[in-house]
Amino acid sequence: QVRLQESGPGLVKPSETLSLTCTVSGGSISNYYWSWIRQPPGKGLEWIGHIYYSGSTNYNPSLKSRVTISIDTSKNQFSLKLSSVTAADTALYHCARVHTSGWVDSWGQGTLVTVSS
Amino acid sequence: DIQLTQSPSSLSASVGDRVTVTCRASQTISNYLNWYQQKLGKAPKLLIYAASNLQSGVPSRFSGSGSGTDFTLTISSLQPEDFATYYCQQSYSTWTFGQGTKVEIK
Repeated sequence: QVRLQESGPGLVKPSETLSLTCTVSGGSISNYYWSWIRQPPGKGLEWIGHIYYSGSTNYNPSLKSRVTISIDTSKNQFSLKLSSVTAADTALYHCARVHTSGWVDSWGQGTLVTVSS
Repeated sequence: DIQLTQSPSSLSASVGDRVTVTCRASQTISNYLNWYQQKLGKAPKLLIYAASNLQSGVPSRFSGSGSGTDFTLTISSLQPEDFATYYCQQSYSTWTFGQGTKVEIK
């Protein structure tokens, strides 16, 4: 059973860069897409972007100018960077494994990131 | 972007009721539609993929149908553990999620 665990700072200052890492255990990072999805408190789900194990990426157009997702297959990890954050970026950030046909079949529990000075 | 509109936004139902949640896409998405259940404080869980396929381990009281722009998630006999929020998600193009349907106890 694959497990995903998010890690990173829980508090980020406005205008700075949010950085999170997802560690995958119990399975290989190869041959899958990996995703970041966020959920503002009390609100719905928003897809941030995907990365394939080969390194190709696809981002939500509304966030594309501020998002970078990268992958380190040697460490079984992938990462999210979101620049120029504002309070609107406060959310529970989930990492997830994506089936090649387009659905999430495994989720991390999520990590809450608050943007505040 | 393809917009997904779920209805209703919330509903109250009793144990044993048949519950139906709909998801309408702003343009055709074939069967690239998935359903998730999210309980309070937990990560979402995949229920149905490709519109009508039951994910392994999900009880058979859950079913999905539809194609094109209109989709339905049905719970044939609501159980206490089914009180949760349900989301649809499309993967036809840039991913989007519906706004969610909260199923509450009547």
